Amino acid sequence: DTAVSQTPKYLVTQMGNDKSIKCEQNLGHDTMYWYKQDSKKFLKIMFSYNNKELIINETVPNRFSPKSPDKAHLNLHINSLELGDSAVYFCASSRGGVPSGTYEQYFGPGTRLTVT
Amino acid sequence: GENVEQHPSTLSVQEGDSAVIKCTYSDSASNYFPWYKQELGKRPQLIIDIRSNVGEKKDQRIAVTLNKTAKHFSLHITETQPEDSAVYFCAAGDDMRFGAGTRLTVKP
Repeated sequence: DTAVSQTPKYLVTQMGNDKSIKCEQNLGHDTMYWYKQDSKKFLKIMFSYNNKELIINETVPNRFSPKSPDKAHLNLHINSLELGDSAVYFCASSRGGVPSGTYEQYFGPGTRLTVT
Repeated sequence: GENVEQHPSTLSVQEGDSAVIKCTYSDSASNYFPWYKQELGKRPQLIIDIRSNVGEKKDQRIAVTLNKTAKHFSLHITETQPEDSAVYFCAAGDDMRFGAGTRLTVKP
């Protein structure tokens, strides 16, 4: 009965590799997000999708590419991983509607990415 | 987009004291202001939120106040307990910009 799930929970990989993180929500929400939380705990929004459509695309390197196959899933693919990509990545979802930011966000458990 | 500033970055109080965390925002069109609590190693979770049509909302020991004119909102925790120790985040804006977080430590 997990509301927002992410896999994997931990990801250790070497510089230059390509990796993906998957996110699924079973809440019937229309909007999903990816956040990056660095070692200083700052939560920075990266992307937001509403009904499979990209609505927020922050200035992140184009090595990061989100994909939403359906409104219950939002995956994050990262190419050519760098040391600075090490962080915890959180997926979140919220009810849809416009504007999408006016509803509670439900966060996944996070994926701790370590790039060596 | 929205710009959210949060203060203080760290806050240490004695058990039983009150704690206040303040956030300011830039977009006067923002109308939803949540507060999230993140315990160590866990995900952020909503603890209270307020919409722009009210000035204050309370839930047991937690309250949030909103001043739309001054564009700031605050989290108030009364009778703090050690389990209140966590990082607290405010957020605002249609694109849900988060403040930088406040690490609250409640000393027994």
